[in-house]
Amino acid sequence: GENVEQHPSTLSVQEGDSAVIKCTYSDSASNYFPWYKQELGKRPQLIIDIRSNVGEKKDQRIAVTLNKTAKHFSLHITETQPEDSAVYFCAASRIPTFGRGTSLIVHP
Amino acid sequence: DAGVIQSPRHEVTEMGQEVTLRCKPISGHNSLFWYRQTMMRGLELLIYFNNNVPIDDSGMPEDRFSAKMPNASFSTLKIQPSEPRDSAVYFCASVSGNEQFFGPGTRLTVL
Repeated sequence: GENVEQHPSTLSVQEGDSAVIKCTYSDSASNYFPWYKQELGKRPQLIIDIRSNVGEKKDQRIAVTLNKTAKHFSLHITETQPEDSAVYFCAASRIPTFGRGTSLIVHP
Repeated sequence: DAGVIQSPRHEVTEMGQEVTLRCKPISGHNSLFWYRQTMMRGLELLIYFNNNVPIDDSGMPEDRFSAKMPNASFSTLKIQPSEPRDSAVYFCASVSGNEQFFGPGTRLTVL
């Protein structure tokens, strides 16, 4: 089955800095890669996704890149704000296998 | 639409008791997923249904766990008998296209 590795497990940045979270996957047949944000005590919510026929996708301050050859994809958040503080999960495939999550802390 | 509805939101029970978690998916969504979230194991897929039919239950940890979806608007996850290691947050999610819409979760504590 699919195996998704996510790094780092914790990421601490200053407000205004950029944050990058990286994931690798094992199943070359996976073709859908969503990212979810989970605030403390809340449910995971989709923030951006990318399909395997696209190398990069942007939505305001967030972007996701995909390298199918290397089987890795990354989430980029620019101009971070304190409200970006949350746990971020990557996943691979429509029947998702989730990474273990990255706790992002943005210091004001 | 109120989104995915789960009940109860919190459940505290004693070891050995039966626990039933409930989920009402978003109307029109034909796939439903049950997840368990813990600090140790992260977000784990337990089982999912397409058009009320269980497709893959390989994530269900033991025979103590069972799930049903008798109709398109209701699903249950049952644990019998419950054990302290079952303590976790249980989410259900319904799917539109590829996007998963999570419910608020049920926080289960087994003493």
